[in-house]
Parts: sequence; structure tokens; C-alpha cells
Amino acid sequence: RKEVEQDPGPFNVPEGATVAFNCTYSNSASQSFFWYRQDCRKEPKLLMSVYSSGNEDGRFTAQLNRASQYISLLIRDSKLSDSATYLCVVSFNQAGTALIFGKGTTLSVSS
Amino acid sequence: DAMVIQNPRYQVTQFGKPVTLSCSQTLNHNVMYWYQQKSSQAPKLLFHYYDKDFNNEADTPDNFQSRRPNTSFCFLDIRSPGLGDAAMYLCATSRGRAGANVLTFGAGSRLTVL
Repeated sequence: RKEVEQDPGPFNVPEGATVAFNCTYSNSASQSFFWYRQDCRKEPKLLMSVYSSGNEDGRFTAQLNRASQYISLLIRDSKLSDSATYLCVVSFNQAGTALIFGKGTTLSVSS
Repeated sequence: DAMVIQNPRYQVTQFGKPVTLSCSQTLNHNVMYWYQQKSSQAPKLLFHYYDKDFNNEADTPDNFQSRRPNTSFCFLDIRSPGLGDAAMYLCATSRGRAGANVLTFGAGSRLTVL
């Protein structure tokens, strides 16, 4: 079973807010995890990979909890330009190529 | 610039009339993917090629076929499009290294079925 579940959203926050998204996955053997960002009517683009030890890229922090089979994305100091849909992606085969997307969480940042 | 190029960007077809969408890449990536994305839904993996090895998802309808004649090109054939097949079709590539399979997407081909 290949399932990736995300918070339904939408999340509507003011500029400067901190917002967190969660994502759960069904296969305990999954090895690769990513967050992608998709703007309206555009293709998805990599936001960040998610590593076991957690990782940070500027205002964005990703965490992986293997025991509970979830990953998270934290966005600090939200900007108007962060408004987009955030997609969780998990691999479901040994090669890491069966990459399954969650339904996405929509973020709207307002001034 | 190295990239993933999809053609056509917009395709209109009639119910039941076969359609072929193409994807080319200059990244020399081992893996090529086809995803279907309907409005307000997640991209759904249809199948992928790891080099010449074809990997079909269990729930991909037989109506969808793919060909990869060489490293650079991959095609999506929809044999008899139905109204429910109207969607954005996204091609993506990746290197094929487990744990580092970052997807690079093309701009997509939007299919309309009349």
C-alpha cells in the first residue's frame, strides 16, 4: 500500500507567522523523503530533501520521525512569496524511484 | 540549460482518439517518470523507467502506455482518452540514486478531452 497523507489545509496565516505541516506515510521501509512546492498551474519544484537527522535551510526546517512514520515542515517568518501548495513526497521501493506524492497542503500568507 | 522539455504544452483531443505526449531531457538522468495531475489533486505516478526497465503502478489503467526508445526521450500514449483523462501530464527525471532521487519536472502537457 502506497499512501502519503497530509494535513488538508488550507492554512491562512499573516506575514511573519510560523506554520507547520505534517505528512504521514504507510511504508515503514521507505527511505527517501522530500518536500516540494507547487505554485498555481506550475510544475512542482524541490523545496528540500528530508534527512534522518533533520535539516534546515534558512527559514525552512524539515524533520523525519521514522518510528511514527511522519515528516514535518516548519516555515518561520512567513513571507507573501511562501504562498503555494506544499507537497510531501515519499519513496516506496528499494531503488527510491517509486516516488509518491501527498495531496498537498495549501498555504496562503497575507499582509 | 539542461532541462526537461514536454511537447505539446496543450493538447486537445476527441473522446477515444489516441494521443501521444512526449518528453525529452538533456540531464542524462537514468530515470524518467510520468505523473498525472488533475485539478486540486496530487501528482499521481503512472509509471517510470529506470534505464530500460519499465515500472508500472498497479492502479495505472491499461489505457496508458509508455515508451522509452533511448535515454533522452520518453513517450506517454493514451490509447482511447476518456473525459476522465483530462489532466496535466507531468514528465520528470531523476538520477536514480536511492536517497537522492530529486525529481526535475518538465512544464507539463495539459490534455483536454472533448
